[in-house]
Amino acid sequence: DIQMTQSPSSLSASVGDRVTITCQASQDISNYLNWYQQKPGKAPKLLIYDASNLETGVPSRFSGSGSGTDFTFTISSLQPEDIATYYCQQYDNLQYTFGQGTKLEIK
Amino acid sequence: EVQLVQSGAEVKKPGESLKISCKGSGYSFTSYWIGWVRQMPGKGLEWMGIIYPGDSDTRYSPSFQGQVTISADKSISTAYLQWSSLKASDTAMYYCALDGSGMQAFDIWGQGTMVTVSS
Repeated sequence: DIQMTQSPSSLSASVGDRVTITCQASQDISNYLNWYQQKPGKAPKLLIYDASNLETGVPSRFSGSGSGTDFTFTISSLQPEDIATYYCQQYDNLQYTFGQGTKLEIK
Repeated sequence: EVQLVQSGAEVKKPGESLKISCKGSGYSFTSYWIGWVRQMPGKGLEWMGIIYPGDSDTRYSPSFQGQVTISADKSISTAYLQWSSLKASDTAMYYCALDGSGMQAFDIWGQGTMVTVSS
């Protein structure tokens, strides 16, 4: 199994801050990495696919980068509505693994 | 509009069986993979397995292989997740999710089905 290590597990930041979350795979996964946002009581929402591609309709302040084993998710300017838990997810030949999640709070 | 609509919340006793559903609409149900994801109370997302309704090709996470069964009925555009003998540790929210783009990303999600197992 491919394991995903996501950090930090929680993060407190101010409105307007640049926020970065990292995800590390236990082996090379090329760019097979997606990012999701989950707000309390809601289903997850796809934000980024294939490491760096913005899903249609997602604000451009969200971005992703990386390949191989190390990946980064960035919010360029944190907005109040971005309060949520964020998950990375790898895929490899129809096997998927989620990271542990990063809970983002407003300072 | 592409949608996945899941069946309602369930309260069951340990040892009981259960089958929950996920009905797809607004797209070709047989052409895209549908996955199932577990979220235990206050915890993260866990991928359980995935099915291609066109030919019922099914893959499971090793953590869930043998614990649940995923199936689909393409005549009614519905995927299922079932247990033969529930445990208290199966208490969780269960989501179905669609790989609607063929990119192995879940871009459409059901609203979730809460399963509570308690004696």
